[in-house]
Amino acid sequence: QSALTQPASVSGSPGQSITISCTGTSSDVGRYNYVSWYQQHPGKAPKLLIYEVTNRPSGVSSRFSGSKSGNTASLTISGLQAEDEGDYYCNSYTSSSTLGYVFGTGTKVTVL
Amino acid sequence: QVQLQESGPGLVKPSQTLSLTCTVSGGSITSGGYYWSWIRQHPGKGLEWIGYIYYSGSTYYNPSLKSRLSISLDTSKNQFSLKLNSMTAADTAVYYCARVSIGAAGLDYWGQGTLVTVSS
Repeated sequence: QSALTQPASVSGSPGQSITISCTGTSSDVGRYNYVSWYQQHPGKAPKLLIYEVTNRPSGVSSRFSGSKSGNTASLTISGLQAEDEGDYYCNSYTSSSTLGYVFGTGTKVTVL
Repeated sequence: QVQLQESGPGLVKPSQTLSLTCTVSGGSITSGGYYWSWIRQHPGKGLEWIGYIYYSGSTYYNPSLKSRLSISLDTSKNQFSLKLNSMTAADTAVYYCARVSIGAAGLDYWGQGTLVTVSS
């Protein structure tokens, strides 16, 4: 099972919106609404931002939103802030592996 | 509030077995609806699933690690553990334990991570 494909880096200026894509196949992202997104700051554990494609856990800013179209899921960060700088990972349930889950390759977000 | 904490050696010699334990507080590992998982991150790299276990004892392993891997539960201590044998330098990584909410398929609680270095 190959990792889901994310862009290596995305950047934006404060206040702008950016979108991170997560491309899989019809065996994972395209088949299941079990895509989640994580934010990781240097030296810290990942933090759940989005689950089931569009849902935000309690306490996560509404500036983070998720969506899906076909085999590609997306995370949009609106009103970009300096604190949003970090690494972002998607994860999906998959039928292609006995493990059942697969992470994306990760995207480094830079706030200019 | 659920909390997870990894414990184990920070240094392992090549060919030895890595043993890590994750202690869960604020919730029971025998609660249905969750998988108890291990994930690792090689230095400067992305996240990699190692495997996970259900309270029934059912396990799910990364096929690339399956021949060297064992994940188990200790319900009396509210802990779950990882054993990875035949360690090599390629296994040097930060190892995280995390809870998977099955219904939402999201890893909602994570340990802080522990760096394991494989070196003689």
